[in-house]
Amino acid sequence: DVKVTQSSRYLVKRTGEKVFLECVQDMDHENMFWYRQDPGLGLRLIYFSYDVKMKEKGDIPEGYSVSREKKERFSLILESASTNQTSMYLCASSPMGQGRDTEAFFGQGTRLTVV
Amino acid sequence: AQKVTQAQTEISVVEKEDVTLDCVYETRDTTYYLFWYKQPPSGELVFLIRRNSFDEQNEISGRYSWNFQKSTSSFNFTITASQVVDSAVYFCALSEAMDSSYKLIFGSGTRLLVRP
Repeated sequence: DVKVTQSSRYLVKRTGEKVFLECVQDMDHENMFWYRQDPGLGLRLIYFSYDVKMKEKGDIPEGYSVSREKKERFSLILESASTNQTSMYLCASSPMGQGRDTEAFFGQGTRLTVV
Repeated sequence: AQKVTQAQTEISVVEKEDVTLDCVYETRDTTYYLFWYKQPPSGELVFLIRRNSFDEQNEISGRYSWNFQKSTSSFNFTITASQVVDSAVYFCALSEAMDSSYKLIFGSGTRLLVRP
């Protein structure tokens, strides 16, 4: 059974803290993604990575950074958490080489609250 | 720019009713892919279907069916004889190519509530 696992389901952090959200996939996928989900806005892409140590900005990268040191792990970093980063964060992975027709597999999400 | 519109924010039906979730997309690509995902209360998005732009055949899978019409840029999803377990948020998505990969453009989602 394919698996994308996010380290926390719920997280509460203080404004200004540095926050790490971890994601691990066991499918040997090349592509990994971080999305943010907000009511009425759907899912918006923050960053993605198509290979180890490679990263690309998505639609809303401001205030975030990412790290991909190993193929199976993709971390999202909030350098200095702010209240407007309170949201649901979803990690996804997909294989490379099959083109755009390949579906992405999602983790269970991390609901982050910044107080 | 690519865009996906799900105009229905929330739908409430009684069990056993049929329900259709609308999805309208915008793209300049001649080749593109459309997806539907289900997000149950547990939070994890579950893939339901993928359709490419060259295949306009409608698809049926059990109680689920999908109607793809390029002429109206729509990819609607129908649940027949709805059940309480169908209660979830449903997302329509469009695949957009990027320099080195691709990304999914999601609609804002439709929350479906099926009441017993």
